[in-house]
Amino acid sequence: AQTVTQSQPEMSVQEAETVTLSCTYDTSESDYYLFWYKQPPSRQMILVIRQEAYKQQNATENRFSVNFQKAAKSFSLKISDSQLGDAAMYFCAYRSGGSQGNLIFGKGTKLSVKP
Amino acid sequence: DSGVTQTPKHLITATGQRVTLRCSPRSGDLSVYWYQQSLDQGLQFLIQYYNGEERAKGNILERFSAQQFPDLHSELNLSSLELGDSALYFCASSGPDHGDEKLFFGSGTQLSVL
Repeated sequence: AQTVTQSQPEMSVQEAETVTLSCTYDTSESDYYLFWYKQPPSRQMILVIRQEAYKQQNATENRFSVNFQKAAKSFSLKISDSQLGDAAMYFCAYRSGGSQGNLIFGKGTKLSVKP
Repeated sequence: DSGVTQTPKHLITATGQRVTLRCSPRSGDLSVYWYQQSLDQGLQFLIQYYNGEERAKGNILERFSAQQFPDLHSELNLSSLELGDSALYFCASSGPDHGDEKLFFGSGTQLSVL
């Protein structure tokens, strides 16, 4: 069975600085997707960024980028120029590629942004 | 706005009762997923439906059941409720094709069992 581990329960960053959230996963599959979801205090689950396992190039969405290390099964999220609105829970998630499977989530990292 | 609609937003009930949570997926999406989010268990997958048929089951209790109707909306039924069932219940949907790997989440139903 696949597992997702987020080893940092809480992180803090100064406004305008850069922060990296860690995620590791375990799978024997070769076709899969990885995601980062953001959950602000409103509790809405918002997709931040996704990565296809077959792509070597790291995904980027504006200030958000990932460092995908397939051999190490690592998928970290970098937030540049942090803003107060980035404060939220961040969840790393895994989805099998073949069969429209469900998402498997990590426990989450609570990010605080200091002004 | 994700396009996934969940009702009600909040639900307060008593132990032993039964409730129904409703979800309307994004237009065109065939898959519906139910998740439970609690402080101690995190985000747990409950069940998935695809075009009316059950596709996968996760950590869903026997007291819980779900179905997806011909118009693709889904309902999650929770019965004999216990205090520990208090949680945020999410519905998500995804498209019909292999490339539709993203799940889009509704805003959730906050269930409080007193």
